[in-house]
Amino acid sequence: KQEVTQIPAALSVPEGENLVLNCSFTDSAIYNLQWFRQDPGKGLTSLLLIQSSQREQTSGRLNASLDKSSGRSTLYIAASQPGDSATYLCAVKASGTYKYIFGTGTRLKVLA
Amino acid sequence: NAGVTQTPKFQVLKTGQSMTLQCAQDMNHNSMYWYRQDPGMGLRLIYYSASEGTTDKGEVPNGYNVSRLNKREFSLRLESAAPSQTSVYFCASSGGGGPISNQPQHFGDGTRLSIL
Repeated sequence: KQEVTQIPAALSVPEGENLVLNCSFTDSAIYNLQWFRQDPGKGLTSLLLIQSSQREQTSGRLNASLDKSSGRSTLYIAASQPGDSATYLCAVKASGTYKYIFGTGTRLKVLA
Repeated sequence: NAGVTQTPKFQVLKTGQSMTLQCAQDMNHNSMYWYRQDPGMGLRLIYYSASEGTTDKGEVPNGYNVSRLNKREFSLRLESAAPSQTSVYFCASSGGGGPISNQPQHFGDGTRLSIL
């Protein structure tokens, strides 16, 4: 059974710092991996989607990498800002299914 | 640009009452999903619909029913609400062609449901 883990559960950093959020999964037979942002009281916003054949995706200050063989993905946030404060979740889509399995998220606080 | 719209945003029910959560998307997506989000447990899939006219169980379907009314709308019904169903419910949709789709999921803002 696929399990997705995100460590740490919470993280506080000063503004301007570069940071890395981690996502690990137990079954490497994934079709894609998606990173989301969730603001308090809101739904999830898709940030990046990495297909299983890709190693990384970039959008602005965000870069997500995928290493299927080791069951890991990282989300790199450059020059963090207070507006980046949110919960970040990763989700994997198993090959041949419609289903996504979500991690429990990392709650990020960027201090001004 | 409405995206995925969920109604209601908040609801309080008594144990045993029934209600239907509504979800509509305007992106012409084939696939739609219902999740529940509980503290410390992440999002768990309740039901999904790969296309109009089809529905399938997810990880935690017990106590729920769904209807894919048309391509736009996917409703979730609680027939006899229980306190264990207190949660935040999210509807999502995605485009593309099923299991081989690499289209991202788009989420609504959720329905906060409390069952007393």
